[in-house]
Amino acid sequence: ILNVEQSPQSLHVQEGDSTNFTCSFPSSNFYALHWYRWETAKSPEALFVMTLNGDEKKKGRISATLNTKEGYSYLYIKGSQPEDSATYLCAPRGLSNTGKLIFGQGTTLQVKP
Amino acid sequence: DTGVSQDPRHKITKRGQNVTFRCDPISEHNRLYWYRQTLGQGPEFLTYFQNEAQLEKSRLLSDRFSAERPKGSFSTLEIQRTEQGDSAMYLCASSSQGLVDTEAFFGQGTRLTVV
Repeated sequence: ILNVEQSPQSLHVQEGDSTNFTCSFPSSNFYALHWYRWETAKSPEALFVMTLNGDEKKKGRISATLNTKEGYSYLYIKGSQPEDSATYLCAPRGLSNTGKLIFGQGTTLQVKP
Repeated sequence: DTGVSQDPRHKITKRGQNVTFRCDPISEHNRLYWYRQTLGQGPEFLTYFQNEAQLEKSRLLSDRFSAERPKGSFSTLEIQRTEQGDSAMYLCASSSQGLVDTEAFFGQGTRLTVV
């Protein structure tokens, strides 16, 4: 899998705003899609692993959807809080058995109190 | 702490010197990965181990880079004759081999600065 694109590259919102990001990837050779949150000075933290077309996952105020046929995933944050400030990375996995992840460049979210 | 740990957290070295980083994965994980992240980019895959066998290397990994996982537990990544372009965050991740939705767990990374 090549050409993983995330948009926007960065985002500044006010506390309480809802926001969403996009991850686009080639739909061929798809196996799974991972979303990670990476806060400054911490480890990237897994949010979701999604595999099936139409999958929708939720963790608290964060949810994600997956469309494998057209090659995109959306991440939504409802009622953003300052602690949501981080870089959000998506990483599709191809059909190889290695578990290797190909990351997009990330969307950096800054939530202002 | 039972997560992935990396050492050192930060390394400043002069161009031309050799550096070595260490990664201790989650103990029951047989898969180990190294990634490199530069400013404004997502992490890029460098290499993958299953137990002690290095099964895949990226073309990004020049012959100055070598990685080992001698007993299938911790891993080291060595960069010889460092160049300024090697300055980056080096991340290690581990996972277990299994279901399609298996997560990879990352360490906090080693930030390398070559001056």
